[in-house]
Amino acid sequence: NAGVTQTPKFRILKIGQSMTLQCTQDMNHNYMYWYRQDPGMGLKLIYYSVGAGITDKGEVPNGYNVSRSTTEDFPLRLELAAPSQTSVYFCASSYPYGGGDHTDTQYFGPGTRLTVL
Amino acid sequence: AQSVTQLDSHVSVSEGTPVLLRCNYSSSYSPSLFWYVQHPNKGLQLLLKYTSAATLVKGINGFEAEFKKSETSFHLTKPSAHMSDAAEYFCVVRDSSGGYNKLIFGAGTRLAVHP
Repeated sequence: NAGVTQTPKFRILKIGQSMTLQCTQDMNHNYMYWYRQDPGMGLKLIYYSVGAGITDKGEVPNGYNVSRSTTEDFPLRLELAAPSQTSVYFCASSYPYGGGDHTDTQYFGPGTRLTVL
Repeated sequence: AQSVTQLDSHVSVSEGTPVLLRCNYSSSYSPSLFWYVQHPNKGLQLLLKYTSAATLVKGINGFEAEFKKSETSFHLTKPSAHMSDAAEYFCVVRDSSGGYNKLIFGAGTRLAVHP
């Protein structure tokens, strides 16, 4: 059981380039999330998904897109990279809330450190 | 709206001494509260969570936290710090107003442990 995996671990982009951050979970969780963490700050929610085919915006969605074609995968797309998107990106997953004591817990991947120059 | 405030951005302790990381919350209903830990260059790991059961919650690695409704606090403590406890700690509240499991993070407290 690998949990939540993210690729790549590190990436440097030039302004205007595009890339996709990959996230996969093998826990059969319905809910998946993308966060960004800026230096000295807590995590902010970019997008989330409550199941395959269903996504919605979080707190800071501008400049990003997501898709959820399977339960396991939740890729995050940056279309036109900007320096403001330099950050560490974390993917997480959980069971739907209300299913028992374990459903509150989000499980996080190791993160992708992205620099836009 | 739900929110959490971590009262210290940095805490420094000596190995073997107690740890106290402070967190106050704001919630319009009985909250679910969490502490997550992030070691350098790692993802976040759940330390413990409060979900309206016992007010004193025990977590992993000897940490515990006490939910105090009258003080709207959820401080994290450990009796004796270990060098391996050096990390960033996040106090988190769950916001279920949108019908999903949304977490609101505090800004974090960086714990340094000195020999």
